[in-house]
Amino acid sequence: GAVVSQHPSRVICKSGTSVKIECRSLDFQATTMFWYRQFPKQSLMLMATSNEGSKATYEQGVEKDKFLINHASLTLSTLTVTSAHPEDSSFYICSAIRTGSSYEQYFGPGTRLTVT
Amino acid sequence: DAKTTQPNSMESNEEEPVHLPCNHSTISGTDYIHWYRQLPSQGPEYVIHGLTSNVNNRMASLAIAEDRKSSTLILHRATLRDAAVYYCILRASYSGGGADGLTFGKGTHLIIQP
Repeated sequence: GAVVSQHPSRVICKSGTSVKIECRSLDFQATTMFWYRQFPKQSLMLMATSNEGSKATYEQGVEKDKFLINHASLTLSTLTVTSAHPEDSSFYICSAIRTGSSYEQYFGPGTRLTVT
Repeated sequence: DAKTTQPNSMESNEEEPVHLPCNHSTISGTDYIHWYRQLPSQGPEYVIHGLTSNVNNRMASLAIAEDRKSSTLILHRATLRDAAVYYCILRASYSGGGADGLTFGKGTHLIIQP
């Protein structure tokens, strides 16, 4: 199988601080990774597409200066929520596509962010 | 993206088959039909996908209407572990690489009664 991990699984931070979330493909290389956000009782919303070695592509309405994405290797993408506020509290989920394939996205277990 | 329509929720009994419908009347000829499911407090997981022909794998079967305007995900023998939100998603086919993120609708909340 293809395994994607996220770290941390849960994080609580104070308003105004920054939080970094890691997404790793453990047993495959992923040229492309995606970041989603899910608020309680809602569906997943795509935030951005992360491509190894290039700048991320953000969906409309997602602030690129607030949600910094770095995809420095074929197995790691990071999402940094800068100057977090309570409204950023959400479930952040990443997914990865195996390099050379395009049909199946492998999702991480998600990171629960709570901003107090 | 072409839109899909699914019932908000469905209920079934354990060890019985479950048929989860999805309407996609505006599907284009190159759109694949994908199904993902999300268990509580977890990331989604891939279930199955198809283009025109019915598909089977270890998790489920996918029955696609002849006009491709609807499809049905079939769980042959539901267990309590199948309780999840099931998403029917259309994705354009690709050639030569490249991929887009998924557009999730509200999905169907499947409840399994013991």
